[in-house]
Amino acid sequence: DAGVIQSPRHEVTEMGQEVTLRCKPISGHNSLFWYRQTMMRGLELLIYFNNNVPIDDSGMPEDRFSAKMPNASFSTLKIQPSEPRDSAVYFCASSTGTGLAWEQFFGPGTRLTVL
Amino acid sequence: SQQGEEDPQALSIQEGENATMNCSYKTSINNLQWYRQNSGRGLVHLILIRSNEREKHSGRLRVTLDTSKKSSSLLITASRAADTASYFCATWAIQGAQKLVFGQGTRLTINP
Repeated sequence: DAGVIQSPRHEVTEMGQEVTLRCKPISGHNSLFWYRQTMMRGLELLIYFNNNVPIDDSGMPEDRFSAKMPNASFSTLKIQPSEPRDSAVYFCASSTGTGLAWEQFFGPGTRLTVL
Repeated sequence: SQQGEEDPQALSIQEGENATMNCSYKTSINNLQWYRQNSGRGLVHLILIRSNEREKHSGRLRVTLDTSKKSSSLLITASRAADTASYFCATWAIQGAQKLVFGQGTRLTINP
């Protein structure tokens, strides 16, 4: 099994640009999570999907952030427009089961730098 | 309020020694999970302990849970250089925000 796949691994962009992060969950997993990790705030859950449906997006910082899951094998997290404070490592994770109580499998992360 | 909070924030020991990390939380939980993160990598699930369990083992890992004290500990026995990583506890609360909440982590360094 290839595990959770994220792309790109690194992204450097200028303030105001649109950024799209991509995630392919483990086949057969029906829950997908987007996290953001920074030194100041630690690991924060941004949004999670169950069976491709967004369940809880209360962690999305503001309207500049949006996430989609058009099918069971693909999800995107978009930031438009990006700001320097969005610089962080963004992780995608997936799990089986219908709730967050199950163990989660993390991807390698996308390191985003907004200049 | 944040759930899991690890203690200590950083720990440095010699190879072969045991490492103990603690996690405290504030509300009633369904389960508590421990994850490891190597530098520049994603988190890796280590072990899950449910609220009705008191102790769990996995290889050199031993996790305890004391729900009366709202605390958990992770013990790594006979540490190895490859155990150098950050360790996070994460809690799934019974009530309130239905999400896995991670602590700030303990940075463990194993010196050869």
